[in-house]
Amino acid sequence: GAGVSQTPSNKVTEKGKYVELRCDPISGHTALYWYRQSLGQGPEFLIYFQGTGAADDSGLPNDRFFAVRPEGSVSTLKIQRTERGDSAVYLCASSLSSGGAYEQFFGPGTRLTVL
Amino acid sequence: GESVGLHLPTLSVQEGDNSIINCAYSNSASDYFIWYKQESGKGPQFIIDIRSNMDKRQGQRVTVLLNKTVKHLSLQIAATQPGDSAVYFCAENNGGATNKLIFGTGTLLAVQP
Repeated sequence: GAGVSQTPSNKVTEKGKYVELRCDPISGHTALYWYRQSLGQGPEFLIYFQGTGAADDSGLPNDRFFAVRPEGSVSTLKIQRTERGDSAVYLCASSLSSGGAYEQFFGPGTRLTVL
Repeated sequence: GESVGLHLPTLSVQEGDNSIINCAYSNSASDYFIWYKQESGKGPQFIIDIRSNMDKRQGQRVTVLLNKTVKHLSLQIAATQPGDSAVYFCAENNGGATNKLIFGTGTLLAVQP
């Protein structure tokens, strides 16, 4: 079956611009996670959705970052006034549920480069 | 240019040998642990998981060991193959209800033919 997909695969933008990154989770997965991965590091948690609501946004670095999941499926991560330090690979993962222990399936990521 | 390998612990093994990758986790409240494999340009791929009520779990060619006393995980890969070359991450769920994962820094496994 189809896995988690993310678009675009690469995004190059200029400092100060606005970007949107899209995630299509596995069908039927109610939990959706965004992570950010810098070069040579492990993924770092940003935000988690259970259904349509953001249940935990404690990993968002500041108020320039925002994410939505209006219909409980596709999610969009939005970054305003991008900075060079935002350059990283943004990963999306989904799982059947949250709490307890459920495997998280990752997408291929979107590589964001801020010039 | 900068190389990922410069910042990661590296394990170099010969094809056919067994590999052991180690990881220390941070939160004694974590009750779920996962090993992921990540190839260049791809997202992390699930290998094997283990719950805190177990100390060993086996899969196909892989075994995970959990030592809660010293907060240590290990991944053993039997008969390592060139296709096993990748960065390996351990992750813990931090004991929370959201199951968000906390990842370690990763180990680069290089398999020599």
